[in-house]
Amino acid sequence: DIVMTQSPISLPVTPGEPASISCRSSQSLLHDGGHNFLDWYLQKPGQSPQLLIYMGSNRASGVPDRFSGSGSGTDFTLTISRVEAEDVGVYYCFSFLQTSWTFGQGTKVEIK
Amino acid sequence: QVQLVESGGGLVKAGGSLRLSCAASGFTFSDYYMTWVRQGPGKGLEWVSYISGSSSNIIYADSVRGRLTVSRDNAKNSLYLQINSLRAEDTAVYYCARKRVIGNYYFSFGMDVWGRGTTVTVSS
Repeated sequence: DIVMTQSPISLPVTPGEPASISCRSSQSLLHDGGHNFLDWYLQKPGQSPQLLIYMGSNRASGVPDRFSGSGSGTDFTLTISRVEAEDVGVYYCFSFLQTSWTFGQGTKVEIK
Repeated sequence: QVQLVESGGGLVKAGGSLRLSCAASGFTFSDYYMTWVRQGPGKGLEWVSYISGSSSNIIYADSVRGRLTVSRDNAKNSLYLQINSLRAEDTAVYYCARKRVIGNYYFSFGMDVWGRGTTVTVSS
């Protein structure tokens, strides 16, 4: 099975400042078509998860443009350009190769 | 509106069985892969299983393979998860979610709609 490793596990942030989360896969997620099979999700306290980024770098509908995804192959990054108080929660990267889907262990983002 | 509603959770004794359901509405159900994701108390998200729109592709996580069976009924816009030989570690909130996959697994738009979850508690 693929192993997804996120860092850091906990991320205290200051509103208005940038923040980034790293995600590393034990296998390449780059498809022959040039797309990366990796999504990012946010689970706010008490809520179901919500989609932020799909296929590595595509922002989902309604997601603010302060969120961006980058990377390819085995190394990926989620960046929040200017953190807002409503961004607190646990962020997960998620790989979905055809034979196995896997979440990272999560990164808890909280306001300092 | 587009919606997923899980049901069927409850308190079950270890060794027992349970069938979870996920009712879909507001979209063409058969166009989507469907997946089950669970979250144990205080833990992270754990992907459990997915099933393609035609049920031709079904994959399970190693941790549950052999005890869980996913199925769908496109005529009823419903997704199911049969859990047998329940263990304490199956205690979790179980979410269903949809995922649009294009072509021969060429592109995907992410799990963009999730249900609120149904809680399974396994007692010893």
